[in-house]
Amino acid sequence: QKEVEQDPGPLSVPEGAIVSLNCTYSNSAFQYFMWYRQYSRKGPELLMYTYSSGNKEDGRFTAQVDKSSKYISLFIRDSQPSDSATYLCAMTLSSNTGKLIFGQGTTLQVKP
Amino acid sequence: DAGVTQSPTHLIKTRGQHVTLRCSPISGHKSVSWYQQVLGQGPQFIFQYYEKEERGRGNFPDRFSARQFPNYSSELNVNALLLGDSALYLCASSLVGGANTDTQYFGPGTRLTVL
Repeated sequence: QKEVEQDPGPLSVPEGAIVSLNCTYSNSAFQYFMWYRQYSRKGPELLMYTYSSGNKEDGRFTAQVDKSSKYISLFIRDSQPSDSATYLCAMTLSSNTGKLIFGQGTTLQVKP
Repeated sequence: DAGVTQSPTHLIKTRGQHVTLRCSPISGHKSVSWYQQVLGQGPQFIFQYYEKEERGRGNFPDRFSARQFPNYSSELNVNALLLGDSALYLCASSLVGGANTDTQYFGPGTRLTVL
């Protein structure tokens, strides 16, 4: 069993839709949670960074962490064709290491 | 400001050869991490270096090694290449490498193909 599970998709939505991306994890010791966006043949770009449970909003993006359910989500409002990319969730155990554990990534296509 | 830079962009090698990949972190960042991303998968942690010392190592064979230089740039070396080493190798830099103080910024990666 992988430490972090993420549905690879692909997920196809019309422009303007609300997108929900999710990850589940098995290790309750994870404390820091991130979402990265990766365009084809590019490096991952950090979108959201949250600590412990709760919500965080940044423009059209909202990240949610539910540690009791070991479940994290990324919501994208008013999706745009430029949001078409692979979205990777990542998490890490402690404050003393930068080792990130990634999900497989979900491929999103937003159609005009 | 320049982001994380990696060289070369692409590389083709044959089985059994050796390869060296290079990374320059963002100016002021002292920690570099290396990740391997196989097509269709998320990145997997290989190494982290901070102030020239190895801070963490992932589950990779001893054929993989790395080092960090006084200017904080880094090299990843892979010996005795296997077909399965074909992947995108990503370098990430951060200020000090601690998850609660900074975040990791990724370079564009080096795409390695082993024939």
